[in-house]
Amino acid sequence: SQQGEEDPQALSIQEGENATMNCSYKTSINNLQWYRQNSGRGLVHLILIRSNEREKHSGRLRVTLDTSKKSSSLLITASRAADTASYFCAFLMNRDDKIIFGKGTRLHILP
Amino acid sequence: GAGVSQTPSNKVTEKGKYVELRCDPISGHTALYWYRQSLGQGPEFLIYFQGTGAADDSGLPNDRFFAVRPEGSVSTLKIQRTERGDSAVYLCASSSTYNSPLHFGNGTRLTVT
Repeated sequence: SQQGEEDPQALSIQEGENATMNCSYKTSINNLQWYRQNSGRGLVHLILIRSNEREKHSGRLRVTLDTSKKSSSLLITASRAADTASYFCAFLMNRDDKIIFGKGTRLHILP
Repeated sequence: GAGVSQTPSNKVTEKGKYVELRCDPISGHTALYWYRQSLGQGPEFLIYFQGTGAADDSGLPNDRFFAVRPEGSVSTLKIQRTERGDSAVYLCASSSTYNSPLHFGNGTRLTVT
């Protein structure tokens, strides 16, 4: 499968704690993106990291990329109840310019 | 400005019927993607347009599925002889360039009875 692999598949943490999700892929990429999805409908773009970047921040989000290990991680700091959602990594393949999604991590923030 | 619009939001059809799903991308976006998502799964790539042409249709499951984008804007995903296994949420996304973030519509939930 060309899909990325994400772990964990599901994660439950207390409000205020940090949440870390990981993504691995198999091919050479141009960039890697993280998306959030509520209620199984449209996805919302969170952050994009290019293949020549190693770390990127946006508000409470921190993304790292290790192209030698073909892996990325998304860290959400100081989690809030509103962060409860599914999170997907997606990567733009160099070979044929299409964007492939991972299977997602379902994050649940406990009040 | 307006986001990506998908119509209808829900479609119920009988097995064997033909359906068309429409996507209006953000104005000026050259790249357009179709994905299919089943419950609890990630979006599954179907087809990618760059302008009017299908740059990659390798994700279309079989020849019952076809998509067009005749003027490089609106796209229609067409499914012939629908089967119950086609039931899913069909997502459309557009981006300004091939390596920019995707903007998604809210999807069409297709149910084949």
